[in-house]
Amino acid sequence: GQQVQQSPTSLVLQEGENAELQCNFSTSLNSMQWFYQRPGGSLISVFYNPSGTKQSGRLTSTTVIKERRSSLHISSSQITDSGTYLCAIDTNTGKLTFGDGTVLTVKP
Amino acid sequence: GGIITQTPKFLIGQEGQKLTLKCQQNFNHDTMYWYRQDSGKGLRLIYYSITENDLQKGDLSEGYDASREKKSSFSLTVTSAQKNEMAVFLCASSEGGQDTQYFGPGTRLLVL
Repeated sequence: GQQVQQSPTSLVLQEGENAELQCNFSTSLNSMQWFYQRPGGSLISVFYNPSGTKQSGRLTSTTVIKERRSSLHISSSQITDSGTYLCAIDTNTGKLTFGDGTVLTVKP
Repeated sequence: GGIITQTPKFLIGQEGQKLTLKCQQNFNHDTMYWYRQDSGKGLRLIYYSITENDLQKGDLSEGYDASREKKSSFSLTVTSAQKNEMAVFLCASSEGGQDTQYFGPGTRLLVL
């Protein structure tokens, strides 16, 4: 089965609502990252978060290694938050394994 | 700061054609990567290189060749393009194998 599973596959929100994106992994890991990809754009690393909670502005990432999961919380979503959010894990090989992403659409 | 440049931005090829994609980075990073992204899917690693002239196969290396001619550049060759193939090829670099990866804007491939 797939090593990294993301949910939901897609999410539509009204501007101002909060979003909760999930990433579950089936193996122990050395590190994990959340990336943001604008439609037609390149990936931007949002969080490098092996464990615990990190916050950057309206974004918060929480990774619980023992439970093999990570979440990305977006508070007070804005139209410019729209895009694809990808999580990726490194199982101590130096190679990233990606999930299929969550497509977020924020409507006015 | 630095930047990753990928050329060309769009690539249209014919079935069976050999196609080459190029990537340059000015971060002075040691490690470079090539990924393939199909529509609605995550990225899959094709090849990576931990230093000049080094090549390591990823999960999707069959049908591809790569070349790390110098530290700043990493090229990918589709050895025989498949009809109706459509994907985005993303190049990335990192300081070491387990550091944050920085991505280029991608090359969009369409095979007729």
